[in-house]
Order: sequence, then structure tokens, then C-alpha cells
Amino acid sequence: GAGVSQSPRYKVAKRGQDVALRCDPISGHVSLFWYQQALGQGPEFLTYFQNEAQLDKSGLPSDRFFAERPEGSVSTLKIQRTQQEDSAVYLCASSSGPSANQPQHFGDGTRLSIL
Amino acid sequence: GESVGLHLPTLSVQEGDNSIINCAYSNSASDYFIWYKQESGKGPQFIIDIRSNMDKRQGQRVTVLLNKTVKHLSLQIAATQPGDSAVYFCAESSGSARQLTFGSGTQLTVLP
Repeated sequence: GAGVSQSPRYKVAKRGQDVALRCDPISGHVSLFWYQQALGQGPEFLTYFQNEAQLDKSGLPSDRFFAERPEGSVSTLKIQRTQQEDSAVYLCASSSGPSANQPQHFGDGTRLSIL
Repeated sequence: GESVGLHLPTLSVQEGDNSIINCAYSNSASDYFIWYKQESGKGPQFIIDIRSNMDKRQGQRVTVLLNKTVKHLSLQIAATQPGDSAVYFCAESSGSARQLTFGSGTQLTVLP
């Protein structure tokens, strides 16, 4: 597709379960970002990849959060032992080059609900 | 810490009028600014961006103004249409940092 694709669109899990969220960036985009968006708030940065290298994971809230992009295209955000405070929309964005000051293009997100 | 904030959480305008959405930022090192539109259930959609070496940039029906002296950013939408109703976010980045820092958003409602 032409845009960033995320799946699933909705995910419901019980507290303590592990979840995996997938992101397909725009084809050829070098940079990939994950953000977390709470209801009524702006997105907050989680982690950044340049190709397959995870260059910044300073926004990951705990060691239960793990992201990977093994072949430099598709990325997966994994949350282990989910907790209720993990409930949020998880957004993926990509940009074409490795440098800063480029627009990031977002997918429609995965809405995660932890029961 | 540094943050990006918006002056008003909601804005209502009549269809056909011009809209102005304001944003204040506090990081003096910010050098890249971007506006997004987010409709319910969708991801943020890129509208327009501006670098700190500019003070104005125009797109189709939109203009972004940057005042670095007072750390203020605005988005002007001309001839506002019902399809413009959404939440608008400003975001910034600084230096070599790739991540964007977002404000909390302004809900724009276009009245018929």
C-alpha cells in the first residue's frame, strides 16, 4: 500500500498476557518510529529505528516493552506481561531518509485495551 | 522538561471563515516544526512543516507562521470547510533528534 499499515487495528488482552503489534512502513522508508497515544493526548515517542538498527529506545516505559525491525522494513512492538496502564493507541510512523527535519507519516494505529 | 503546548483546547469557526490555531513551545533549541491533523480513529496526517530558518510557509489553504522570538507557532486555515473538523497537533524536534515532541492538541469544530 501507499501508506503506513498497522495491524491489528484493535487488540484486547487480559492483564499479564503478551501482545505483538505490527507495522509496515512506507516502502523504502529508512526511518521508523513508534509512539504511544493516550486518550485526549498527543503521541509520545517510544523508539526509533534507522533501517534495522534501533538507535533510540529512550521512550520505552519499561523493560516489558521491546521493539525490533530485523530486516529493516517491517517492525514489531512487543509488550510482555501487559498491565492496565499499557492501554493506549500505539502509532507507527516512517520517514524517507535518515536525517532529522523530515516529515513523519503515520499509520492509523493499534488500539490496545488491557482488561 | 521541555514541552510543546497549545493555547486553546477547542476552537469553533463558521464554515468559510479562516481558522487560526496557536502553539507555544519552550525548547529554544527546537529547529523543526510540523502540524498534523488527526480525525477520530485515524493516525495523525501531515499538513505542513517549517524549519527554524524560515518564518512563514504556505501550502494549499494553509499557512504556518513561526515566531522564534516568542517561541510561537500558528496554523492558519483559509476558508475552513466541514472536512477540516479534527484535532490539530503541533510538534517539534531539535538538533539531531529524530523524535517529535507533540502538544496536547486543539479540537477544531466547523459550524454550518
